[in-house]
Amino acid sequence: AQKVTQAQTEISVVEKEDVTLDCVYETRDTTYYLFWYKQPPSGELVFLIRRNSFDEQNEISGRYSWNFQKSTSSFNFTITASQVVDSAVYFCALSEENARDTGKLIFGQGTTLQVKP
Amino acid sequence: EPEVTQTPSHQVTQMGQEVILRCVPISNHLYFYWYRQILGQKVEFLVSFYNNEISEKSEIFDDQFSVERPDGSNFTLKIRSTKLEDSAMYFCASRSLGGVTDTQYFGPGTRLTVL
Repeated sequence: AQKVTQAQTEISVVEKEDVTLDCVYETRDTTYYLFWYKQPPSGELVFLIRRNSFDEQNEISGRYSWNFQKSTSSFNFTITASQVVDSAVYFCALSEENARDTGKLIFGQGTTLQVKP
Repeated sequence: EPEVTQTPSHQVTQMGQEVILRCVPISNHLYFYWYRQILGQKVEFLVSFYNNEISEKSEIFDDQFSVERPDGSNFTLKIRSTKLEDSAMYFCASRSLGGVTDTQYFGPGTRLTVL
């Protein structure tokens, strides 16, 4: 059964602090895909990153970085030098490659990040 | 940049009424989805649609729900007889042909309020 767990419900930091959002997943598939989406107060879901299960290279995009570790089934997201505009709910999601190839996303509960000035 | 659009942005309806939520996916995409998010909760998969048929649906997607692609551009979600618990944000998403590796892009959502 597939499952995504984001144990941190809410995180509050002061601007310029670094913050890491945790994501742990469960799947029986050997091929799967992991995603992070941002949901700002306006409500839309903004795609941040996709990672496939065969690519464990960490990725950096500006102030954002992602650490994928299959050994611990984790796909953590770090924001360096956080800014007030980073305040949002962040969702980690999993998609399995199954016979039907529907590509449905299984989301975690989300982590609400509040960055204070 | 192409984007998924949804109308209306907010729909208020009385319990028992039918509602149709509309989505225009990105034009070259072939896989379409509906998700819902009850206020303060996680995003939940409802249904996926490919080649003019449902490819997968969740337990939430019962007989009250239906989807349709009535023309080459629109993708609709119909709730036949709304209940109070259907109040939620409904997101449409689409992705291009190319396997599950392709990314799903989401619309801005329709907030449904059932009174």
